[in-house]
Amino acid sequence: DQQVKQNSPSLSVQEGRISILNCDYTNSMFDYFLWYKKYPAEGPTFLISISSIKDKNEDGRFTVFLNKSAKHLSLHIVPSQPGDSAVYFCAASARRTSGGYQKVTFGTGTKLQVIP
Amino acid sequence: DVKVTQSSRYLVKRTGEKVFLECVQDMDHENMFWYRQDPGLGLRLIYFSYDVKMKEKGDIPEGYSVSREKKERFSLILESASTNQTSMYLCASSFVGGTYEQYFGPGTRLTVT
Repeated sequence: DQQVKQNSPSLSVQEGRISILNCDYTNSMFDYFLWYKKYPAEGPTFLISISSIKDKNEDGRFTVFLNKSAKHLSLHIVPSQPGDSAVYFCAASARRTSGGYQKVTFGTGTKLQVIP
Repeated sequence: DVKVTQSSRYLVKRTGEKVFLECVQDMDHENMFWYRQDPGLGLRLIYFSYDVKMKEKGDIPEGYSVSREKKERFSLILESASTNQTSMYLCASSFVGGTYEQYFGPGTRLTVT
């Protein structure tokens, strides 16, 4: 059961244009969402996150939008740069009612290619 | 800067061998994780540990075990390696009460022949 879905395995965008990466989730208990970026032969690195109490979070060129009613989030990169070419993973977490560890569920990833 | 290191970047083992993958973090994080990454399947959680000697199964624990004797070190053990365990293995750590952000190591590409 894939609770976090990234339906586009790949995306190509021209340099300077906007990149929009999408993510859908099914678990209504998720209350925190993250995006990670992964270059080949490296581990994923945290990019940006958003709490379920917000609908937008911005950090420089990166903005994450959350639509709770649609169970959908998106990552916007403006303007896109060749160095943004990587695999992007969406992730979501639900706080355990008993406290302690909060499991993070990852999507399958979208490979972004920014063409110079 | 948080640093998570993994003992090997590339490893080739034979079917049936016992395999140890080690992970060390230097940020005093309570939580540590082992994932595997496969094409089209994303990152799947194998095991995690929230304290020394404490562990919980993730989504795909079959064929794996873990050990956490010290807070900074988390080991993944393949008791008898099989070809379907050929994968990229990623270790991560995080602290309790944070914003779920995990810090990942560079990964170990394991090939079982």
